[in-house]
Amino acid sequence: DTEVTQTPKHLVMGMTNKKSLKCEQHMGHRAMYWYKQKAKKPPELMFVYSYEKLSINESVPSRFSPECPNSSLLNLHLHALQPEDSALYLCASSLTGPGGANVLTFGAGSRLTVL
Amino acid sequence: AQSVAQPEDQVNVAEGNPLTVKCTYSVSGNPYLFWYVQYPNRGLQFLLKYITGDNLVKGSYGFEAEFNKSQTSFHLKKPSALVSDSALYFCAVSPGAYGGATNKLIFGTGTLLAVQP
Repeated sequence: DTEVTQTPKHLVMGMTNKKSLKCEQHMGHRAMYWYKQKAKKPPELMFVYSYEKLSINESVPSRFSPECPNSSLLNLHLHALQPEDSALYLCASSLTGPGGANVLTFGAGSRLTVL
Repeated sequence: AQSVAQPEDQVNVAEGNPLTVKCTYSVSGNPYLFWYVQYPNRGLQFLLKYITGDNLVKGSYGFEAEFNKSQTSFHLKKPSALVSDSALYFCAVSPGAYGGATNKLIFGTGTLLAVQP
């Protein structure tokens, strides 16, 4: 299995809702990432978990809350989002990391719309 | 500061012609360099990387890239473009082997490649 699977593919939520994005990989990778991507822009790093510990938090607002239940799963909990949070949210994984010569394997993304 | 530049927002090329997508970087030490491609409504896919050794790196789908240390460039090339190569291409740099938790991948702004039939 060489895939990163993200669910849901599309999510529409109101500003008062609570929802979660999920990511799963079975490649034995020990680093997992959340990125936010606006249209035709590069991905922006949000969080990195390395060996199931949060190793990078790029000063993301607290309305985004990551969780890594085990080495294969990564969640992003969403609460009280703003319309400007609408974007494609990409999950990625790497064998180790972050950094170095590690190659990132990306999921297809979850497209989030906040009304 | 460490950075990656992709000077062209868009590159247009006719099918069958060679293509080049440009990338320059500014990183201290010996960086690791990557190219990723993003097709519409998809995540990024790894194309190739340079770590050390031969300056010409071959990757997926017939793409190659040439590392030029003196010009701090890592241009992506393909001898004959296909319409299916149309996508958004990102150059990225990782600042070398040692950096711990702050050793993050830095992406360029992206170049949209449009191949006309």
